Amino acid sequence: DIQMTQSPSSLSASVGDRVTITCRTSQYISNYLNWYQQKPGKAPKLLIYGASSLQSGVPSRFSGSGSGTDFTLTISSLQPEDFATYYCQQSYSIPRTFGQGTKVEIK
Amino acid sequence: QVQLVQSGAEVKKPGASVKVSCKASGYTFTGYYMHWVRQAPGQGLEWMGWINPNSGDTNYAQKFQGRVSMTRDTSISTAYLELSSLRSDDTAVFYCVRVDTGSYGESDYWGQGTLVTVSS
Repeated sequence: DIQMTQSPSSLSASVGDRVTITCRTSQYISNYLNWYQQKPGKAPKLLIYGASSLQSGVPSRFSGSGSGTDFTLTISSLQPEDFATYYCQQSYSIPRTFGQGTKVEIK
Repeated sequence: QVQLVQSGAEVKKPGASVKVSCKASGYTFTGYYMHWVRQAPGQGLEWMGWINPNSGDTNYAQKFQGRVSMTRDTSISTAYLELSSLRSDDTAVFYCVRVDTGSYGESDYWGQGTLVTVSS
């Protein structure tokens, strides 16, 4: 199984801050890496697919980069509605695996 | 618009089985794989397996082999997840998830989730 290591596990930030979350995989996955946002009591929402493609309807302040084993999710200017938990997921092989999540909290 | 509507919350006793349904609308049901993902309270996301609604083929995570079954009824565009021999640590929210296998395999639409509580 491909292991996913997300960091940090949590962070505190202020509105307007630039936030970066990283995801490292234990094996090469090309760019088969997706990012999801989850708010309490809600289903996850797709933000980024294929490492860097923005899902339709997602604000452009979200961006993704990386390939191979190292990936990054960046929020260029944190907004109040962005406080949530973020997960990476690899879709390169079965079983699909997720990172452990990064909780973004208000500073 | 694409919608995945899941059945309601369930309370089960240890050793019992549960069957969760996921009704799809707004797209061709047989054109996309359906995956199932669960989330224990306060925990992360755990992939359980997939079903190809067109063929009925399935692929389960090894952890659930032998006690999970994913089926579908194409006449009503509904996928099902059945989990047997329930234990207290199976308490979780279960999500059905549409996957775009023609792209990067991303999960582009999620059901609202079904809470299954296992308690004596």
